Amino acid sequence: EAGVAQSPRYKIIEKRQSVAFWCNPISGHATLYWYQQILGQGPKLLIQFQNNGVVDDSQLPKDRFSAERLKGVDSTLKIQPAKLEDSAVYLCASSLEPNTEAFFGQGTRLTVV
Amino acid sequence: GDSVTQMEGPVTLSEEAFLTINCTYTATGYPSLFWYVQYPGEGLQLLLKATKADDKGSNKGFEATYRKETTSFHLEKGSVQVSDSAVYFCALRNNQGGKLIFGQGTELSVKP
Repeated sequence: EAGVAQSPRYKIIEKRQSVAFWCNPISGHATLYWYQQILGQGPKLLIQFQNNGVVDDSQLPKDRFSAERLKGVDSTLKIQPAKLEDSAVYLCASSLEPNTEAFFGQGTRLTVV
Repeated sequence: GDSVTQMEGPVTLSEEAFLTINCTYTATGYPSLFWYVQYPGEGLQLLLKATKADDKGSNKGFEATYRKETTSFHLEKGSVQVSDSAVYFCALRNNQGGKLIFGQGTELSVKP
């Protein structure tokens, strides 16, 4: 069974530029999560989708971050404009339903310079 | 709000040593508790879980017991191997949603 796919694996941008990350969850998984993992910290949820609807985006900095999951399958997370403090690993995860096991992708490491 | 606190790392052990990584939590209700592991260059993987008080999760020689009275979920292994070198994350999930709340992670390094 294919796992959660993310791209790109690495990205370096200058501050004030924009960037987008892509995630393809495990087939059939209705729930999709984006987490931000800053170096030395545990992952923090940015947004949770159930199919193509948002369940929780309470910790998403909506002035600069946006995410969509238009057809209830793959998802994109965008940052515009990026700040230095956005440097982190962005993890995508998916699960069959909200209270079932979440499977994580390898993440996208973003460096903002 | 809900939170998880882990012992700070890095933890350095010799092969075959006993491992304990402490984890305590604060949560309303009765959360499920998890240990995730992140090997170098790989994504987070579920190591073990427990969904109610006094449950013991176990996998690959690792164990953790859900202790409601002490709000703890300490990870233990009797004899670590070099291949256990990784970062370990304790997490909780409030059963009203799907969101995982993670501790800050504990890096384990096992020397031959």
